[in-house]
Amino acid sequence: QVQLVESGGGLVKPGGSLRLSCAASGFTFSDDYMSWIRQAPGKGPEWISYISGSGTTKYNADSVKGRFTISRDNAKTSLYLQMNSLRPEDSALYYCARGRSRYDSWGHGTLVTVSS
Amino acid sequence: DIQMTQSPSSLSASVGDRVTITCRASQSISNYLTWYQQKPGKAPKLLIFDASSLQSGVPSRFSGSGSGTDFTLSISSLQPEDFGTYYCQQSYSSSYTFGQGTKLEIK
Repeated sequence: QVQLVESGGGLVKPGGSLRLSCAASGFTFSDDYMSWIRQAPGKGPEWISYISGSGTTKYNADSVKGRFTISRDNAKTSLYLQMNSLRPEDSALYYCARGRSRYDSWGHGTLVTVSS
Repeated sequence: DIQMTQSPSSLSASVGDRVTITCRASQSISNYLTWYQQKPGKAPKLLIFDASSLQSGVPSRFSGSGSGTDFTLSISSLQPEDFGTYYCQQSYSSSYTFGQGTKLEIK
């Protein structure tokens, strides 16, 4: 069965950086688009980035453009999110999910808190 | 960005009731509409895609309808395990926005 396990979250000061990882198993990772989606406490989810199976096509939401970079390593069946210039409003639970525009499998999430 | 507005924001219903949740898009999104269910402490679960197609493994009491700007998610006979928060999401434009959620409680 599909399994997605995120890691790398934590507490970081405004302006700092974090790199999130997502280890995937149970499906042919290189065949599928993957996305990062975040959810602030008490709010609806917010899609922030996707990447194609080959890694050649990427797209970010305006809210993170120029600050966050999505990447993948198909040999390691892993997805990454490099987050720079973090702001308090980036605080959320970050999920990796399978799919580009709809998401049939999600991880459990990793919590990012941006605070001084 | 396309805004997605759900109503009601919360509701309480009894086992066996028929429940309907609505979602309105700020512009036409054809049938590019997905519904998710989220339980506390868990990730969202895909229920319905393309406005009316049931995801594999989802009980048939769940159904979706609509096109353009107005959509509904219906549960034909509410079961105790159907509590949670329901979200709609548009995939027409690349902002892929979600609604604010409808919290469903079982009486």
